[in-house]
Amino acid sequence: AQSVTQPDIHITVSEGASLELRCNYSYGATPYLFWYVQSPGQGLQLLLKYFSGDTLVQGIKGFEAEFKRSQSSFNLRKPSVHWSDAAEYFCAVALMDSSYKLIFGSGTRLLVRP
Amino acid sequence: ETGVTQTPRHLVMGMTNKKSLKCEQHLGHNAMYWYKQSAKKPLELMFVYSLEERVENNSVPSRFSPECPNSSHLFLHLHTLQPEDSALYLCASSPRQAQDTQYFGPGTRLTVL
Repeated sequence: AQSVTQPDIHITVSEGASLELRCNYSYGATPYLFWYVQSPGQGLQLLLKYFSGDTLVQGIKGFEAEFKRSQSSFNLRKPSVHWSDAAEYFCAVALMDSSYKLIFGSGTRLLVRP
Repeated sequence: ETGVTQTPRHLVMGMTNKKSLKCEQHLGHNAMYWYKQSAKKPLELMFVYSLEERVENNSVPSRFSPECPNSSHLFLHLHTLQPEDSALYLCASSPRQAQDTQYFGPGTRLTVL
């Protein structure tokens, strides 16, 4: 069955430090890949997505993600974290069929130290 | 008003009550979704509507009843809920299928007493 794993439940970084959030997926082919962010009391907002082409994807708020087929990974990175980045981050995959299913990981909560 | 809106934002109900959650999208999208977000669990897809037709029903108990009267509105009717149904219920919309970006509303925080 298809699945998405975010191995880190919580991550704490200092403001200004770099960030990498991990995401691994299990699927027989290359899925469509997404990163969403959820601030407290809010819905999810798309940060970036990968469908095909260049494996390094740029998103909003200075985030980027790299698709690595050999590792079935789609890790999210930011070179310098801001206090406003504190939120929960979700990796998701959509299958390459006509379904409507978006499969989410369990999320990583990012805490930012001043 | 733009994007996806949900009302109410907070709801407390007893197990014998009947209530409804409302979602409205102003994006001209064809697909609308209900998700359940519980603590320490991944988002669970509940229902999907495409052009007002239900296309996904993820083994959701019958105490949850969706309704999509048109492509802009989606309802979730609730009756005889259980305390374990307490969660954040998120609505989303997308132009077409799941490969399209989904746009989420802020959610309704439901507490069942």
